[in-house]
Amino acid sequence: EIVLTQSPGTLSLSPGERATLSCRASESVSSSYLSWYQQKPGQAPRLLIYGASRRATGIPDRFSGSGSGTDFTLTISRLEPEDFAVFYCQLYGDSPRFTFGPGTKVDVK
Amino acid sequence: EVQLVESGGGLVQPGRSLRLSCAASGFTFGDYTMSWVRQAPGKGLEWVGFIRSKPYGGTIEYAASVKGRFTISRDDSKSIAYLQMNSLKTEDTAVYYCSSIAPPTNYYYYYNAMDVWGQGTTVTVSS
Repeated sequence: EIVLTQSPGTLSLSPGERATLSCRASESVSSSYLSWYQQKPGQAPRLLIYGASRRATGIPDRFSGSGSGTDFTLTISRLEPEDFAVFYCQLYGDSPRFTFGPGTKVDVK
Repeated sequence: EVQLVESGGGLVQPGRSLRLSCAASGFTFGDYTMSWVRQAPGKGLEWVGFIRSKPYGGTIEYAASVKGRFTISRDDSKSIAYLQMNSLKTEDTAVYYCSSIAPPTNYYYYYNAMDVWGQGTTVTVSS
């Protein structure tokens, strides 16, 4: 079973700063099936990035994803006030079919 | 407008059953894989299971934590997905979300990512 680890657990930044979030898989995975979601308090998750680097429909270009193998990164180039949230990486694999990372909370410094 | 609306949550005693529904609108429901994801209070996201569309075999898969207790089904004529939860445990307490996964033939195909989510329904298992 592949395990996803996210770091840091919490990232404290100010609006306008750059956020770099990491997702590491316990073994090499297909980047085609690595996704990122944003979840704000009291809301459902929202798909941001799929295929490791492709932005979902309507997602601003300040969000970008990269990586391959075991190491993946979500970057928010300049944090807007509405970007503060918890971010999850997710893998579609063999067993279990879907695995989520534990999440990284981006909060206001 | 593409929309998923969950219902059926509530307070239930351990060992009892509950059925959740997920009503879809704004897209061709029968073409999509439908998934259930839950989130325990203050915790992260946990995949529960999914049901593929009939063109893709209609197969169903579950997380190990619910296999044998939970059953996913769908009624394409009504555009509704269901999550039947039996033998509920206190650790099943969570917000339950349904989500849709577009097929590869869709213009907007997201490589098996969950592109649309409902607002969630809360299940509390407690005596």
